[in-house]
Amino acid sequence: EIVMTQSPATLSVSPGERATLSCRASHSLSSHLAWYQQKPGQAPRLLIYGASTRATGIPARFSGSGSGTEFTLTISSLQSEDFAVYYCQQYNNWRYTFGQGTKLEIK
Amino acid sequence: EVQLVESGGGLVQPGGSLRLSCAASGFTVSNNYMSWVRQAPGKGLEWVSIIYSGGSTYYADSVRGRFTSSRDISKNTLYLQMNSLRAEDTAVYYCLPGYYSDRWGQGTLVIVSS
Repeated sequence: EIVMTQSPATLSVSPGERATLSCRASHSLSSHLAWYQQKPGQAPRLLIYGASTRATGIPARFSGSGSGTEFTLTISSLQSEDFAVYYCQQYNNWRYTFGQGTKLEIK
Repeated sequence: EVQLVESGGGLVQPGGSLRLSCAASGFTVSNNYMSWVRQAPGKGLEWVSIIYSGGSTYYADSVRGRFTSSRDISKNTLYLQMNSLRAEDTAVYYCLPGYYSDRWGQGTLVIVSS
């Protein structure tokens, strides 16, 4: 099973600043990685797939990068609606495992 | 428009069974990979199972042998039969097309408790 490790567990950032979230895989994924945003009481929202391709309707301030085992989600200028929990998910191996999440909170 | 509506959740005793349904519209379930993902209260996302368009199924180690994913082509519906339920199966269960997706249902809550 591919283990996905996200860091940090909690990230405190001020509105307007940049946030950088990390996701590490225990085995190479090529670019088979997705990022989700989840707010309380809501289903996850797909942000990024293929490690760097924004999903439909996702603002350009969200960007993904990386390949192999190291991936990053960057939010260039945080808006109030961006404070949420973020998950990465690998789909390189049929156990389509998720990371444990990073909570992005207001500083 | 793609829509997914999960149902069938509820309160069940440990060792009991439930069958979840996921009614799909806007696309054909049997032509797509279909996944189940769950989220325990206050916890992260956990992938549970996938059924491929050809009918092959795969499961997380935590549910293999107890859960079975299937589909009804005539009803365009995905199912998750859950047997030998445990307290740790308590979660909101979501269905989604593919192994990642921008289309999620609202989820259905399963509570396993005596």
